[in-house]
Amino acid sequence: NAGVTQTPKFRVLKTGQSMTLLCAQDMNHEYMYWYRQDPGMGLRLIHYSVGEGTTAKGEVPDGYNVSRLKKQNFLLGLESAAPSQTSVYFCASARPTSGATSTDTQYFGPGTRLTVL
Amino acid sequence: AQSVTQPDIHITVSEGASLELRCNYSYGATPYLFWYVQSPGQGLQLLLKYFSGDTLVQGIKGFEAEFKRSQSSFNLRKPSVHWSDAAEYFCAVGISNSGYALNFGKGTSLLVTP
Repeated sequence: NAGVTQTPKFRVLKTGQSMTLLCAQDMNHEYMYWYRQDPGMGLRLIHYSVGEGTTAKGEVPDGYNVSRLKKQNFLLGLESAAPSQTSVYFCASARPTSGATSTDTQYFGPGTRLTVL
Repeated sequence: AQSVTQPDIHITVSEGASLELRCNYSYGATPYLFWYVQSPGQGLQLLLKYFSGDTLVQGIKGFEAEFKRSQSSFNLRKPSVHWSDAAEYFCAVGISNSGYALNFGKGTSLLVTP
């Protein structure tokens, strides 16, 4: 049981390049999330998904796209990277509580450190 | 909107001393509250959570937190800090209209001195 894994762990891009970050979970969780962490800002929600084939925007979605084609995977894409997207990216997953009034514990991946030059 | 404030950016305590990290939330109904810890270069680990019921919540590593509705607070405490507790601590609230994603405070960095 690996939990939540993220690929790659580190990446350096040049401005304008594209890339995809992969998040995979083996806990059969319905909900998945992408956050970014910047110094002094805590974690901010980029996009989220409440089930296979569904995605929605979070607090800071501009410049990112996501896809959830399989329940266990949640992909985050940068079509044209900008220096402002230099950050540490965390993926998380969770299951809804009974009655879907909340989610249980969110499990986080180890993060991807992205630098855009 | 649900939000979380952690008033202290940095806290320094001596090893063996008690610890209290402050967290204030803004939410109309009963919030779903969490404390996470992040060691340098690592991901986030859940310390404890509050959904309902007993307002004093016990977590891992000897941490506890008390939910106080009247003060809109969910402060984290530990009676005796160990050097290994040095880390970044985040308070978070579940956001009901975003798939219960977490709205995080900006974090409190804990330094433990000998």
